[in-house]
Order: sequence, then C-alpha cells, then structure tokens
Amino acid sequence: DIQMTQSPSSLSASIGDTVTITCRASRSVYSFLNWYQQKPGKAPKLLISAASILQSGVPSRFSGTGSGTDYTLTISSLQSEDSATYYCHQSYSTHQHTFGQGTKVEIK
Amino acid sequence: QVQLVESGGGLVQPGRSLRLSCSASGFSFSDYAMHWVRQAPGMGLEWVALIWNDGTVTYYSDAVKGRFTLSRDNSQSTLYLQMDSLRAEDTAVYYCAREFIPPAGIEYKSFDPWGQGTLVTVSS
Repeated sequence: DIQMTQSPSSLSASIGDTVTITCRASRSVYSFLNWYQQKPGKAPKLLISAASILQSGVPSRFSGTGSGTDYTLTISSLQSEDSATYYCHQSYSTHQHTFGQGTKVEIK
Repeated sequence: QVQLVESGGGLVQPGRSLRLSCSASGFSFSDYAMHWVRQAPGMGLEWVALIWNDGTVTYYSDAVKGRFTLSRDNSQSTLYLQMDSLRAEDTAVYYCAREFIPPAGIEYKSFDPWGQGTLVTVSS
C-alpha cells in the first residue's frame, strides 16, 4: 500500500497569512493526488485534483503543486472560512486508495 | 444537482450485520465507479471499498475484506454496503463518494461529490 504522510498535523495562522501543507507519498503517485477540505460535521469537499487543478467554485487563494512523492497545498491570504481540516488523497493505486492523516488549520 | 444520500446507519451489537444504502441523483449513476470512505470519531478519513460502474469488480481495504460486501443496483441508482461480523473498530461515519474522472486527458481520479454520511456505532 502507498502511505501518505501529511505535515503539519495542525497549525494556527492569522487572517491574511500564507499557509502551506505538505503531503509525502511512500512512492511516486504520478500526480494522482487530490486535496479535500472538511469542516466539522460536514462531508469532505474536493478542492484540487491531479495535484494542481483547482475545482470550479474554489477560491483562487488555494493552489496545489508537486510531483512524484511530494505535494503541497498552499492557502494564500488565509480567510476565516478556511478554518477546517485538509486531507490529501492518492488515487494512483486504483485498488487501494489512501488518505493523509489530515491537517487542522485554525485561525488565530 | 448531483447528490448522494446515505442511509441505514445506527447502533448495532458486535458480531451483527448492517446494510448501508447510498441513493444517487442528478447524474448517470451507471457511468461511474463508486466508493465508500469512513471516518471514526475524531479521526481521519479511511478508504473502505470500490465498485466499478457495472458492478462486476469490487475492491476492499484489508480492514474490511471478507466482512463487507459492496454492490449496486444501477436501475435504482443505489449503492449498497453489506457489513457483517461488525466490530467496535468499525464505528464511524460512512460516506459514499463518486469517483470522478475528467472527460479528457489523463484519467486522474478524485472523489466528487460525497454524501452527507451515515453514522454506524458498534457497541454492546
């Protein structure tokens, strides 16, 4: 199985800050890497697919980069509504999808 | 609009069975593979199972293999998860999710949308 390691597990930042979350795969996932946002009591929401493709309706302050084993989600100019937990997800291993353990983003 | 609605969760004793349903609307259900993902209380997301669009192929996580069975009725746009021999560690919110693949280019897969989830509690 491909293991996904996210860091940090949590962070606290101020409105307007730039936040970076990283996700490392145990082997290359060839950009089959997605990012989701989950707010308390809600289902996850797809933000970015294929490592860098911003989904329709997602604010442009969210961006994704990376290749091979290392991927990054960046939130520029953090807003209060961005308080949530963010998960990476590899879909390269078709028969055994895996998620990172999540990064909780709090607003100072 | 594209929507998934899960049902069937509840409190069940260890060793017993439960069947979850996921009703789809707003898209051609038979064109898409479907997944179940679960989330234990206060924990992260865990992939559970996948079924191809035609229902002919299924895959399971090691944690549920041999105990859970995934099926679908394309005529009713409904996905089912039969959960047998339930354990306390199966306690979680269970989400169904559509596997989305872009219409052109490389077939990068993602989960979109997700249902609202249904809570399964395994306890005596």
